[in-house]
Amino acid sequence: GAVVSQHPSWVICKSGTSVKIECRSLDFQATTMFWYRQFPKQSLMLMATSNEGSKATYEQGVEKDKFLINHASLTLSTLTVTSAHPEDSSFYICSARDRGLYGYTFGSGTRLTVV
Amino acid sequence: DAKTTQPPSMDCAEGRAANLPCNHSTISGNEYVYWYRQIHSQGPQYIIHGLKNNETNEMASLIITEDRKSSTLILPHATLRDTAVYYCIVSFPTGNQFYFGTGTSLTVIP
Repeated sequence: GAVVSQHPSWVICKSGTSVKIECRSLDFQATTMFWYRQFPKQSLMLMATSNEGSKATYEQGVEKDKFLINHASLTLSTLTVTSAHPEDSSFYICSARDRGLYGYTFGSGTRLTVV
Repeated sequence: DAKTTQPPSMDCAEGRAANLPCNHSTISGNEYVYWYRQIHSQGPQYIIHGLKNNETNEMASLIITEDRKSSTLILPHATLRDTAVYYCIVSFPTGNQFYFGTGTSLTVIP
């Protein structure tokens, strides 16, 4: 089946630095990828939708200058958390839609801790 | 925004069927019903999806009411490994939004 690889699985960074998270569709082309954030004991919150070759669409309340999303190819999307602060510590999850299937495949998530 | 309502938690005895309900009274004609589950600190796992007809796969069965305003996910023989948070989502298959609701935390009891 469709596989989405997310890297790294966890990262610790210092406050003020930037962190990049990669999301790759391994065996299919993903025209659309989603980025979510999940705080402890809460549900997944959609941050943005990225379409290959175009600018990402951000959900209300998500700072697009802080969470930079690039979807340069049909198999890769990246999320960069710029000038990270402790409140950005969270579980970040990507998802990709295989245009050949009516389904969405999720990555295994990235645990970001900002110290 | 999520268009689904689910009970926050449920228990099920190991080996018994787990029936997880979901209300989606504002579902539109072309929106599908998707079910995913999330085991702690992992990405959501696809279970099943459907439009109008009942669906079954190796993991579960999905029963959608005739008016499509609610559905039930059935795990026929729950095991301890089925303990997870289960999410019911309604979405267009080619849409650009895929919103999660609060889900149901299922605990399978030995």
